[in-house]
Amino acid sequence: AQKITQTQPGMFVQEKEAVTLDCTYDTSDQSYGLFWYKQPSSGEMIFLIYQGSYDEQNATEGRYSLNFQKARKSANLVISASQLGDSAMYFCAMRELTQGGSEKLVFGKGTKLTVNP
Amino acid sequence: DSGVTQTPKHLITATGQRVTLRCSPRSGDLSVYWYQQSLDQGLQFLIQYYNGEERAKGNILERFSAQQFPDLHSELNLSSLELGDSALYFCASSVAPTAAYEQYFGPGTRLTVT
Repeated sequence: AQKITQTQPGMFVQEKEAVTLDCTYDTSDQSYGLFWYKQPSSGEMIFLIYQGSYDEQNATEGRYSLNFQKARKSANLVISASQLGDSAMYFCAMRELTQGGSEKLVFGKGTKLTVNP
Repeated sequence: DSGVTQTPKHLITATGQRVTLRCSPRSGDLSVYWYQQSLDQGLQFLIQYYNGEERAKGNILERFSAQQFPDLHSELNLSSLELGDSALYFCASSVAPTAAYEQYFGPGTRLTVT
């Protein structure tokens, strides 16, 4: 079963507007973490924001905020005041326990965001 | 710039060959993770090392192996290459042995198998 679901293969937004990228997750762990990464066309993966399952407040980092709804198992990324440079692939990821007791990241398929001038 | 370096940036090789990808983590980071990104499989975790020891294994093929050296740089060895191994290979590092902290990704090595 898919652990991380990003239902929007592509999204379009006008410059200076806000946009929400959806992410739902599936886990039976009580303690987990959710991440968002940005991948521009150049290919590198850039860490944006992290939300721990026990964090009481939604995470924010500059123009990025995470709308964390634990009961719904959703961790949507909100980008405010979109800029042309925000055009990229966005990946939601979840920390998952491995069989050996360590942890790994499991990624969704990604959402391609295009910011229009 | 994440502080993680990967070499080479691009690699083109033939089926059946063997290649080595190299990664240097950020200064102070002890954990190194390897990921494979392909169009059909997406981003997949391969393997993790922490301070020289293998810590976790993901979807890594038996033809692939990795190690982390005393200076903490890591190498991913891919052998008996097949066309399907063509992908972008990322190395990431973090300060902790767990994935509780953000991982900083290198620029990736794009492998093309012909």
